[in-house]
Amino acid sequence: DVVVTQSPVSLPVTLGQPASISCRSSQGLVHSDGNTYLSWFQQRPGQSPRRLISQVSNRDSGVPDRFSGSGSGTDFTLKISRVEAEDVGIYYCMQGTHWPITFGQGTRLEIK
Amino acid sequence: QVQLQESGPGLVKPSETLSLTCAVSGYSVNRGYYWGWIRQSPAKGLEWIGSIYWTGSAYSNPSLTGRVTMSVDTSKNQFSLKLTSVTAADSAVYYCARLGGVLIGPDFWGLGTLVSVSS
Repeated sequence: DVVVTQSPVSLPVTLGQPASISCRSSQGLVHSDGNTYLSWFQQRPGQSPRRLISQVSNRDSGVPDRFSGSGSGTDFTLKISRVEAEDVGIYYCMQGTHWPITFGQGTRLEIK
Repeated sequence: QVQLQESGPGLVKPSETLSLTCAVSGYSVNRGYYWGWIRQSPAKGLEWIGSIYWTGSAYSNPSLTGRVTMSVDTSKNQFSLKLTSVTAADSAVYYCARLGGVLIGPDFWGLGTLVSVSS
């Protein structure tokens, strides 16, 4: 299975400051169809995960534009330009290029 | 708005079969899209179980192959999961989801249901 590794494990951030989460895969994520299937999910406390971004950088409907995704190959990043209180939770990256689909172990974002 | 709701026993004995159903509202399961199951545990984090199309075409995680059966009931607008020969390692919160593009992950999730495996 493709191993997806996130860092940091815990991310304390001051309100209004930027945040960045890294996601690295053990294999390249370019699919045979030419697309890169790397998605980001947010899981707020007590809630189900919610998809934020798909195919590296495509924001889902309703996702604030302070969230952005970038990267290629095996290295990807989720950035929050200005952290708000509602952003507290655990963030996961997921690769869909190789079967089985696998998730990173999560990054817990908290407010300092 | 698409809504999904898991149902099933919260406690299953070791070696028995875990059975869950996901009721879908706001969207017909036979209108396209794959439907999937994902579980979450402290030990393994988020783990993809499998996905199924309304025609019955299904794919399950190789780590669970042989133990997973999925099905779709279009008359009831729901889909189901059976996991046989469960052990304590199968204890988790089980989510059902709509896969708005299998490879990009779920766009709608159920609330999740906690299943514990214990005698």
